[in-house]
Amino acid sequence: AQTVTQSQPEMSVQEAETVTLSCTYDTSESDYYLFWYKQPPSRQMILVIRQEAYKQQNATENRFSVNFQKAAKSFSLKISDSQLGDAAMYFCATNFGNEKLTFGTGTRLTIIP
Amino acid sequence: DAMVIQNPRYQVTQFGKPVTLSCSQTLNHNVMYWYQQKSSQAPKLLFHYYDKDFNNEADTPDNFQSRRPNTSFCFLDIRSPGLGDTAMYLCATSRDFPGGQNEQFFGPGTRLTVL
Repeated sequence: AQTVTQSQPEMSVQEAETVTLSCTYDTSESDYYLFWYKQPPSRQMILVIRQEAYKQQNATENRFSVNFQKAAKSFSLKISDSQLGDAAMYFCATNFGNEKLTFGTGTRLTIIP
Repeated sequence: DAMVIQNPRYQVTQFGKPVTLSCSQTLNHNVMYWYQQKSSQAPKLLFHYYDKDFNNEADTPDNFQSRRPNTSFCFLDIRSPGLGDTAMYLCATSRDFPGGQNEQFFGPGTRLTVL
């Protein structure tokens, strides 16, 4: 079965510090994309960062970066210089090579002022 | 700005009274999705349209139906809502092509309450 697992239901971090959210997945596909989505309390889901599985280089978007370990099937999200606006549910997801997304169960991130 | 729009944002209905939620997009994406999301859970895919082709998830209740009259619009019909259907309903779109990344763009959601 193709699955996405987020083992941290909740995380908290001090403002301006760095936090890493974990995600692992299981698939037999070789070509797929991985995504981190953010869902703030207002509930609109927005894309934070994407990673192409065939690319070795880890994706980076400003304060957000990923640590992609294809062999280990791991895709963690690092948030640097955490800000109050980063407080949200974060969902890891992958398309497993087709048009549908499989989501993890989410990690609720709290920023402590 | 290109976007995904959902109406209404909030809907209250009575047990068993049919309700329709709408979604429109200005992105000209060929794939449209409907998700159900309950509190603090991941979105659960109900079905999606790939162009005009309807794809139902195996565990989506028959009570849930969908229509896509054209590229821009998609509707979610709940024929006889039950209390368990109280949830946020998310519409999303993507542009699928061979080897594409299938990034999905989400609307703000419709919060449905069944009384």
